[in-house]
Amino acid sequence: ETGVTQSPTHLIKTRGQQVTLRCSSQSGHNTVSWYQQALGQGPQFIFQYYREEENGRGNFPPRFSGLQFPNYSSELNVNALELDDSALYLCASSEQETQYFGPGTRLLVL
Amino acid sequence: AQSVSQHNHHVILSEAASLELGCNYSYGGTVNLFWYVQYPGQHLQLLLKYFSGDPLVKGIKGFEAEFIKSKFSFNLRKPSVQWSDTAEYFCAVKGSGNTGKLIFGQGTTLQVKP
Repeated sequence: ETGVTQSPTHLIKTRGQQVTLRCSSQSGHNTVSWYQQALGQGPQFIFQYYREEENGRGNFPPRFSGLQFPNYSSELNVNALELDDSALYLCASSEQETQYFGPGTRLLVL
Repeated sequence: AQSVSQHNHHVILSEAASLELGCNYSYGGTVNLFWYVQYPGQHLQLLLKYFSGDPLVKGIKGFEAEFIKSKFSFNLRKPSVQWSDTAEYFCAVKGSGNTGKLIFGQGTTLQVKP
């Protein structure tokens, strides 16, 4: 157990809809990173938040956006969902260089 | 572009066999290196990490990895695997200056037969 929690665990949406995924970081960790893991692939970096500011972004379109709150919890928002957005979305929290992952949210887009 | 390559996609071993999983990366600067494991139905867990110093690092559950800078490699080893080691293993790299971005390999599925 890392202390990183994510909600919901599973989600089904249809194309064009919007989704919000949530993450609570491990106590004392001020940095949250989000990853997308497609089936059979390694996680792909979406972006990172440090003290409520975006602190690095991967190769994902602007319809992927995020927030970090004063308590360091975070949200990932995806607009205009596409079928290819179906994946496991992972949140990781860190204080220094090591990231600790939550259980993920499995999103299915129909 | 920075990348991580794991050579073995699917490995099948019998219990007590030795394990070595290959990982090579492409990045020109200083790196932090990680191995994560994902047991069936569980989340990604940190096995071990290398930042600096002794290139042979030991992790949990008897795993170790060796950083060979000249070969851009960070191979994972275990002398004797157990059935409970059945899982997916991911190598990951963070380059200096790459704020927060971990680059993962595609993963290696290890199946240990009892």
